[in-house]
Amino acid sequence: GAGVSQSPRYKVAKRGQDVALRCDPISGHVSLFWYQQALGQGPEFLTYFQNEAQLDKSGLPSDRFFAERPEGSVSTLKIQRTQQEDSAVYLCASSLGRNRGAYNEQFFGPGTRLTVL
Amino acid sequence: EDQVTQSPEALRLQEGESSSLNCSYTVSGLRGLFWYRQDPGKGPEFLFTLYSAGEEKEKERLKATLTKKESFLHITAPKPEDSATYLCAVLPWDYKLSFGAGTTVTVRA
Repeated sequence: GAGVSQSPRYKVAKRGQDVALRCDPISGHVSLFWYQQALGQGPEFLTYFQNEAQLDKSGLPSDRFFAERPEGSVSTLKIQRTQQEDSAVYLCASSLGRNRGAYNEQFFGPGTRLTVL
Repeated sequence: EDQVTQSPEALRLQEGESSSLNCSYTVSGLRGLFWYRQDPGKGPEFLFTLYSAGEEKEKERLKATLTKKESFLHITAPKPEDSATYLCAVLPWDYKLSFGAGTTVTVRA
């Protein structure tokens, strides 16, 4: 069966450019998460959606980062005016549950590796 | 401040040589602790969820245990295909999920 897919898999941007990263979660999964993973580190939480509602965006590092999930399925993470420190792998994960159950058994996509020159 | 520390950073094992990975945490009110496996270039893959001290979960050669301060992931008689980075994550009372930096395990045939 289809897992979580992300596109593009690799993105190179010049400093100052805007980028949009897409996540297709597993069909029927209520919860969707975005994470940022630096080389050699664990994922860091960015934001959490339950259906179309963004319930937690406390991990977004600045107001240049914006995420949406307008119909409760596909999600887009947008980064405006990219900076070199934004270079990382951006992971999307989805799960069936909600609230505490949302965090149990998350299915991760392969990630998008963003490099900002 | 909530913290998650994994040790060792790297572990090299001979095939069949059992060992344990440690995940120490300081959080306010643990709602759950999760173990994931991550292969190079891929997203993490879920292994276990533990909710309370004394709980244990097993899957093939892996066994996870939980105390009030730490969790262990035991690898029994590992095979080369067990080579990966193992991540633990803790969910405290305020739902601020935190991952450790991981332990990279290499199993030589």
